[in-house]
Amino acid sequence: DTAVSQTPKYLVTQMGNDKSIKCEQNLGHDTMYWYKQDSKKFLKIMFSYNNKELIINETVPNRFSPKSPDKAHLNLHINSLELGDSAVYFCASSQDSGQGINIQYFGAGTRLSVL
Amino acid sequence: AQSVTQLGSHVSVSEGALVLLRCNYSSSVPPYLFWYVQYPNQGLQLLLKYTTGATLVKGINGFEAEFKKSETSFHLTKPSAHMSDAAEYFCAVREGGYQKVTFGIGTKLQVIP
Repeated sequence: DTAVSQTPKYLVTQMGNDKSIKCEQNLGHDTMYWYKQDSKKFLKIMFSYNNKELIINETVPNRFSPKSPDKAHLNLHINSLELGDSAVYFCASSQDSGQGINIQYFGAGTRLSVL
Repeated sequence: AQSVTQLGSHVSVSEGALVLLRCNYSSSVPPYLFWYVQYPNQGLQLLLKYTTGATLVKGINGFEAEFKKSETSFHLTKPSAHMSDAAEYFCAVREGGYQKVTFGIGTKLQVIP
């Protein structure tokens, strides 16, 4: 069983469209994340949820909206897609206890191409 | 504020040679430090971590890293490179009590036969 699974794996779409990426983890973790990895492999945190509560919200266009229906799921909805949104988006999860070590487990990524 | 600097975006070594990937960090409090590896078309996976205690930490696949507070470094080493080590390696830092983990820009390791 895949610990952190993302769907879809590949997403090709036109500029201006709205799309969603789904993430699920079966590790029983309480914290989930979305990262964006650009073409130069730079990995940047976008959002983090702990027990369905938003705890990290980096400087990201408000076209990006995360939603966490429960602590095992964190979805990412993107409105009005732009060329610059093309990247690989990674979901991750961890078990956080405040002072904990925070080992993150990553999904395989969703490669988004905006044409 | 925490930050990570990885020196060398590309490193090439011959198979069987020493691997040394450099990482320096900045943190206002004692940090937690991590090395992650990313194989092509995959997500990141943890290689090793430093929290407290012994400054030399061993990870998977024969990798190890040494925490040197005086040098604010956490370099990753492996005595003998294998072809399967070719991947992207990310150093990361987290300040204790702070949720966010900051990743370095990554170092691509190429292993030459």
